[in-house]
Amino acid sequence: GAVVSQHPSRVICKSGTSVKIECRSLDFQATTMFWYRQFPKQSLMLMATSNEGSKATYEQGVEKDKFLINHASLTLSTLTVTSAHPEDSSFYICSASGRRDEQFFGPGTRLTVL
Amino acid sequence: KNQVEQSPQSLIILEGKNCTLQCNYTVSPFSNLRWYKQDTGRGPVSLTIMTFSENTKSNGRYTATLDADTKQSSLHITASQLSDSASYICVVSAYQAGTALIFGKGTTLSVSS
Repeated sequence: GAVVSQHPSRVICKSGTSVKIECRSLDFQATTMFWYRQFPKQSLMLMATSNEGSKATYEQGVEKDKFLINHASLTLSTLTVTSAHPEDSSFYICSASGRRDEQFFGPGTRLTVL
Repeated sequence: KNQVEQSPQSLIILEGKNCTLQCNYTVSPFSNLRWYKQDTGRGPVSLTIMTFSENTKSNGRYTATLDADTKQSSLHITASQLSDSASYICVVSAYQAGTALIFGKGTTLSVSS
């Protein structure tokens, strides 16, 4: 089956620093990648949708200048949390979609901002 | 408004027992319904995916049903194992430009010995 990886799996950073999370589709070309965040005991909340080579589409209420998304190739998307604050601490999950439109999820990245 | 409601919110069962999780949705126009298993601290893993015309689909000890008329789905787990302890998420896809997934909040299942 399709495999999506994320790196790092866990990251702890100081308030005010920026953190980059990578999402890779390992065995297929992902025309679209999605970024979600998940708070404890809550469902996944879509943050943004990105298509390779074009600007990401952000959901309402998600600050595009704070959550920078780059989808430079068909196998890699990155999410950069800029000037992170404790309220940004969350579980960030990416998913990737190929030709068949089914989304395959990565294992997630736990971000803790001190 | 497109919504997915799951019940129960949490469930505790003994190892070896069966259980059924429920999902009701008000998504339109409906494309497909998926059940995912999410272990703590991990990303969701697909169990089943059903389109409008499919009433039931199995994946090992997991059997999902879909009633498109009443907009209800269930996930039945037979002979539960400790490793089944996880959150089970019902996700409904709507026909829109691009892929739009509406997530339920999940049912947290705990299997005890």
